[in-house]
Amino acid sequence: GAGVSQSPSNKVTEKGKDVELRCDPISGHTALYWYRQSLGQGLEFLIYFQGNSAPDKSGLPSDRFSAERTGGSVSTLTIQRTQQEDSAVYLCASSSGFIDGYTFGSGTRLTVV
Amino acid sequence: SQQGEEDPQALSIQEGENATMNCSYKTSINNLQWYRQNSGRGLVHLILIRSNEREKHSGRLRVTLDTSKKSSSLLITASRAVDTASYFCATGRMDSNYQLIWGAGTKLIIKP
Repeated sequence: GAGVSQSPSNKVTEKGKDVELRCDPISGHTALYWYRQSLGQGLEFLIYFQGNSAPDKSGLPSDRFSAERTGGSVSTLTIQRTQQEDSAVYLCASSSGFIDGYTFGSGTRLTVV
Repeated sequence: SQQGEEDPQALSIQEGENATMNCSYKTSINNLQWYRQNSGRGLVHLILIRSNEREKHSGRLRVTLDTSKKSSSLLITASRAVDTASYFCATGRMDSNYQLIWGAGTKLIIKP
């Protein structure tokens, strides 16, 4: 696609429910990144994919968080048993090469009530 | 952990004035990038400067890099209302070929 697409753009969920966030990167971009951003804060790294593999999952906050990427394209970030502290904007970015800079999606604003 | 640290945290200036934001970092870098974020959503890549470069221009943007001081500055000349946004620096580390390290950002407000 022309840009990085994330869905949904907004998600309100009840505490304890599972949610799935989707990222569709730019076609041909091999690297895909998930970040989390709380209100007024910087970016918190979650996970990095190179192709379908995730060499670095070190940023996932707990085992309730998981992510996968299929076909070297679409990625899904799943949060199980959501907690109120999971409320944030979840940003996805892709790049063709590290040196080129990232292209970000518009993010998913997750609110856990 | 966040390596880049921007200052000031917030900056408010009159339209037409120049805005300068600074970024400091701790480890050796491969490159440094600046991004803009409007309304807390997706970030837009503005400019990338490599570790062997000292200055780079793009339109009204000028970025400098001083690797001896481990610092960079972003200058926006003749600011406009549309420049109101948060600006983040991100550094590419020498020991990592993929991960950018992000600062907490500078919130820039341009007053009409």
